[in-house]
Amino acid sequence: ETGVTQTPRHLVMGMTNKKSLKCEQHLGHNAMYWYKQSAKKPLELMFVYNFKEQTENNSVPSRFSPECPNSSHLFLHLHTLQPEDSALYLCASSQGTGNNYEQYFGPGTRLTVT
Amino acid sequence: QQQVKQSPQSLIVQKGGISIINCAYENTAFDYFPWYQQFPGKGPALLIAIRPDVSEKKEGRFTISFNKSAKQFSLHIMDSQPGDSATYFCAASKGGYNKLIFGAGTRLAVHP
Repeated sequence: ETGVTQTPRHLVMGMTNKKSLKCEQHLGHNAMYWYKQSAKKPLELMFVYNFKEQTENNSVPSRFSPECPNSSHLFLHLHTLQPEDSALYLCASSQGTGNNYEQYFGPGTRLTVT
Repeated sequence: QQQVKQSPQSLIVQKGGISIINCAYENTAFDYFPWYQQFPGKGPALLIAIRPDVSEKKEGRFTISFNKSAKQFSLHIMDSQPGDSATYFCAASKGGYNKLIFGAGTRLAVHP
């Protein structure tokens, strides 16, 4: 595997379910990001991790819980979601958190909340 | 509050034509302006980026024009090809930090 991978690619869950999204980067980067991409809305940054430490939480509801066990892996734990949380969730990574470092995106997980 | 406004929402261009996508921003502290290209089923990929100390940057058929006084920047795609059909996002960040604020995106279709 190369680049940034995300699993699963598609997920359908009920509002009472608990599920997790997984992201793995094979680029040796130190920073990882979660973004939400909703239809007809700008990509929204959710969380930033740098060297496993969370450095940004963009006022995300607590029903989204990120976890970064090491610099290569990032999870997004989901529980009691709402239908409006249906979106494409994108993971990205970069060498560092300065804007001189390019962010590399994964293909995303298409989440549908029923 | 949308900090980066992108237009048009969609664009149709004939093969060989010039595609122009515009973005306007409000925060004068922004110091990095990238453009991302996204194909269906893929994540966005960095296409080209500019900093406010230059007014233009060109990479192949892609050019960013930057107008600091007007707080606007635009992407020009010369000799547009059907393979350029994708969604394009402008973005901005400030303070040397990688917290990107994205525009809403432009869906470009290049017809043969």
